[in-house]
Amino acid sequence: RKEVEQDPGPFNVPEGATVAFNCTYSNSASQSFFWYRQDCRKEPKLLMSVYSSGNEDGRFTAQLNRASQYISLLIRDSKLSDSATYLCVVNIRNDYKLSFGAGTTVTVRA
Amino acid sequence: NAGVTQTPKFRVLKTGQSMTLLCAQDMNHEYMYWYRQDPGMGLRLIHYSVGEGTTAKGEVPDGYNVSRLKKQNFLLGLESAAPSQTSVYFCASRLLGNEQFFGPGTRLTVL
Repeated sequence: RKEVEQDPGPFNVPEGATVAFNCTYSNSASQSFFWYRQDCRKEPKLLMSVYSSGNEDGRFTAQLNRASQYISLLIRDSKLSDSATYLCVVNIRNDYKLSFGAGTTVTVRA
Repeated sequence: NAGVTQTPKFRVLKTGQSMTLLCAQDMNHEYMYWYRQDPGMGLRLIHYSVGEGTTAKGEVPDGYNVSRLKKQNFLLGLESAAPSQTSVYFCASRLLGNEQFFGPGTRLTVL
């Protein structure tokens, strides 16, 4: 079983739509969770950390479900600029190594 | 702060040539990493370091060597480049418990 698994998509949505996707992780004891964004041929950049109680950053909402071992990302009022690959990142063993999902591709169309 | 920087940004090598990729960070991070990313694939960890003078193998270490003589620098070496090493290479750094910061990447082509 992979440590972090994501639906690869692609999610193709119109501007203004809401899109949401999940990521599952393998270790129930994991403590740190992140969503990164990667644009084509660029480096991944932190979008937001994911906290136990859930958190929002503008149009983006992240949730953590420890019982089912998944995190989610919801994007409201999608913009063309939200088109990217979103990487789920988990510190599986709470050590030196972050485990990256393969990414979920989102394309927002006009 | 410059964050994480990588040199060079682009490089073309012939099979059998050697080269060194340099990564530098000015955030005083303990942990540093080298990844490769191939088209349509996720990040794969090549080597990592948990502190100055220490290095360890990641998932795909064959054909690469690394050194961390100074805390702020992490070098990735290819002794004899092969076409299978054509890829985008990302360096990253972090503090334990925190997020990871990436450099802009090095695009390497081996002919």
